[in-house]
Amino acid sequence: DTAVSQTPKYLVTQMGNDKSIKCEQNLGHDTMYWYKQDSKKFLKIMFSYNNKELIINETVPNRFSPKSPDKAHLNLHINSLELGDSAVYFCASSQGGLSGANVLTFGAGSRLTVL
Amino acid sequence: GQNIDQPTEMTATEGAIVQINCTYQTSGFNGLFWYQQHAGEAPTFLSYNVLDGLEEKGRFSSFLSRSKGYSYLLLKELQMKDSASYLCAVVDSNYQLIWGAGTKLIIKP
Repeated sequence: DTAVSQTPKYLVTQMGNDKSIKCEQNLGHDTMYWYKQDSKKFLKIMFSYNNKELIINETVPNRFSPKSPDKAHLNLHINSLELGDSAVYFCASSQGGLSGANVLTFGAGSRLTVL
Repeated sequence: GQNIDQPTEMTATEGAIVQINCTYQTSGFNGLFWYQQHAGEAPTFLSYNVLDGLEEKGRFSSFLSRSKGYSYLLLKELQMKDSASYLCAVVDSNYQLIWGAGTKLIIKP
């Protein structure tokens, strides 16, 4: 019974395509996140979202957009994919509001490869 | 700028003790996390320190010195399954989480 699940686990696509990664959490958490982990293993926050507020990391291109149909889901849409978008994308959730001091529960990651 | 420094890689022997250091320079401080990440898997929470001192949790302990901008993760009685990356992350004054690049720990028999 996975707490934070994301699909697909692997995604290989061509430059210029549009793709989505889905994320669902069954922990009843208030806040969800998308992180990008590049080849150097740095985790970079992309979006933080709860039912009241969306915080966007200003360095994220507007080709990336989060969509939340409800509190338990936060999907990531990426338009016009570029080679530099290749990375592992982690969804995460936490109890409480939009604070970095909350413990994060991560999904297993989605490895995106752009050819 | 904000900076988290950890060694890139460390090697230790099964059954031994290893200390993974983390130094930070951030705009303010509201706590420090350690996460464990096995290759190809999700990071998982290990510890959170906000006050100075040592917090022990089984074979793992985490230490914090706010005045020195320094933390370490101490792993005792190392097991092969402890081979993983260990990520240090600091909560800054805006309650943003700043991540280090992680330390890859290799355990040898």
